[in-house]
Amino acid sequence: AQKVTQAQTEISVVEKEDVTLDCVYETRDTTYYLFWYKQPPSGELVFLIRRNSFDEQNEISGRYSWNFQKSTSSFNFTITASQVVDSAVYFCALTLKYSSASKIIFGSGTRLSIRP
Amino acid sequence: DSGVTQTPKHLITATGQRVTLRCSPRSGDLSVYWYQQSLDQGLQFLIQYYNGEERAKGNILERFSAQQFPDLHSELNLSSLELGDSALYFCASSERTSGPGETQYFGPGTRLLVL
Repeated sequence: AQKVTQAQTEISVVEKEDVTLDCVYETRDTTYYLFWYKQPPSGELVFLIRRNSFDEQNEISGRYSWNFQKSTSSFNFTITASQVVDSAVYFCALTLKYSSASKIIFGSGTRLSIRP
Repeated sequence: DSGVTQTPKHLITATGQRVTLRCSPRSGDLSVYWYQQSLDQGLQFLIQYYNGEERAKGNILERFSAQQFPDLHSELNLSSLELGDSALYFCASSERTSGPGETQYFGPGTRLLVL
């Protein structure tokens, strides 16, 4: 079975601190895709990143970085020098190449609060 | 702004009623997906359409149905509404159907409250 686990339900840090959101996934497929989405208080889901299972390179985009490690089935997300605008619920998600449905399996989300 | 539009933004109705949620995908996207986000179930995939045809079904109740029209907009119909149907309903779109690696871009959602 496929599953995405975000063990951290809520995280609260002070502005400018670095914070890492954990994501652990389960699948027996060798080809799959991982995503991170952000859901700010306004409610919309904002796409952040997509990574396929054959690309283990870490990625950095401004203050955001992602660490993909197949050995531990993890796809962690780090925000450096956090800002109040980063406050949101963050979802990690998984899709499978050979799934009959192009559906996303979402984790339960991590609510991140950045305090001024 | 993802380019996916959903109407209405908010909807309040009573149990037993029927409502229709509307979604317009990004320009050029052929696939439309519907998701339900509730407090107890999290984000769940409901159904997918590609170029007017149903392609995949998830945890969609029999009281719910959807369709995609020739202009590619989609509607999600919810009938015999129950209190537990109160949720945020998202529409997403992507370019192709057979590419699970395709990024799905989400609309702003329709918040449904059943009283």
